[in-house]
Amino acid sequence: GQQLNQSPQSMFIQEGEDVSMNCTSSSIFNTWLWYKQDPGEGPVLLIALYKAGELTSNGRLTAQFGITRKDSFLNISASIPSDVGIYFCAGQPPNTGNQFYFGTGTSLTVIP
Amino acid sequence: ETGVTQTPRHLVMGMTNKKSLKCEQHLGHNAMYWYKQSAKKPLELMFVYNFKEQTENNSVPSRFSPECPNSSHLFLHLHTLQPEDSALYLCASSQDKAGKAFFGQGTRLTVV
Repeated sequence: GQQLNQSPQSMFIQEGEDVSMNCTSSSIFNTWLWYKQDPGEGPVLLIALYKAGELTSNGRLTAQFGITRKDSFLNISASIPSDVGIYFCAGQPPNTGNQFYFGTGTSLTVIP
Repeated sequence: ETGVTQTPRHLVMGMTNKKSLKCEQHLGHNAMYWYKQSAKKPLELMFVYNFKEQTENNSVPSRFSPECPNSSHLFLHLHTLQPEDSALYLCASSQDKAGKAFFGQGTRLTVV
């Protein structure tokens, strides 16, 4: 199946710092989604992107659909302790029906 | 509360047992999914249902048997599982194939 490379695998940052993570694919995608998962819970959708170059914000979170359609970025500004969790990207290639492919996740730790 | 409810939250079963996982969505979506989440691996899509019809089966072993009696309910019947099947099983739903998926909280399955 499709491989999504998500980086970094983990991050340890001080409260108040900004965070950046990204996801890349070897082929183009029509849709990019970003999720956050807390321990013992299911992923929660943060941001959905549908067009190349699209930049969308959700509070302190901003995500971009890469212009090549092969990557996406998620930024978190002024991190707070409740930002702790695992962030997943998911992409949908063209002509694949309901198939979304997920990255391996970025584990974020915020140090107060 | 995400609108997608999974039961049970935790399940321990022996390799000769038969059990079922249940998922219910209250979002009016017409597509439902089963995903498997194992440690250090991306989410793996198992099954997709669109309007109660199975549209995808990603080479899942027959010891996993899905059932979708209506567009709001999805089951995963389990029998003669192996210890390597221990994982978090996540249900999700979306409106149409291009829709963003909303996840339940998952069932943590342990096979002993």
